[in-house]
Amino acid sequence: AQTVTQSQPEMSVQEAETVTLSCTYDTSESDYYLFWYKQPPSRQMILVIRQEAYKQQNATENRFSVNFQKAAKSFSLKISDSQLGDAAMYFCAYIQGGSEKLVFGKGTKLTVNP
Amino acid sequence: SQTIHQWPATLVQPVGSPLSLECTVEGTSNPNLYWYRQAAGRGLQLLFYSVGIGQISSEVPQNLSASRPQDRQFILSSKKLLLSDSGFYLCAWVRSTRDRVGNTIYFGEGSWLTVV
Repeated sequence: AQTVTQSQPEMSVQEAETVTLSCTYDTSESDYYLFWYKQPPSRQMILVIRQEAYKQQNATENRFSVNFQKAAKSFSLKISDSQLGDAAMYFCAYIQGGSEKLVFGKGTKLTVNP
Repeated sequence: SQTIHQWPATLVQPVGSPLSLECTVEGTSNPNLYWYRQAAGRGLQLLFYSVGIGQISSEVPQNLSASRPQDRQFILSSKKLLLSDSGFYLCAWVRSTRDRVGNTIYFGEGSWLTVV
């Protein structure tokens, strides 16, 4: 069965610094999608970044980028120039292509210190 | 455009009372639909998912049930609420398995349930 592991329950970073959140997954499939979602205190789920497994190029969205290592089944999120508004719970998620299988990690709580 | 709506946003219910949370999707057909529960400071616990009308898969045995009476409607119910049912409930949908281009996850606004 597919699993998603976020090994860091909590992380902290100084404002303007860079932080990396880790995510590993386990699958035998070749067609899948990976996501990072941000959940601020409002509890609204906000898409941060999305990666298709067939694409070798790492996805980037402004200050957010991923390091996608398909062979190692690793999908880490790098936040550059951290801002106070980045403080939130971050979830890594996996969807198998053509399937209903949707799996989330347990989340990493990010604190940004001024 | 695709949207997802979930209501009510907030609910305070006494122990033993019934529950009905509703989720509807617009702008798509045959979506995969999911109900998650999130306790304070915790991760997302998958409760139910559905790949079509009348098709419900339960992930965790519990006091809750789900139904999908229409293609774009997903309902979470309970006949008698327990204190442990308190939490934040999220509905989500994923584009149909027949359309894998641009797969992404859409979330509802969430429902806060407090059982007293």
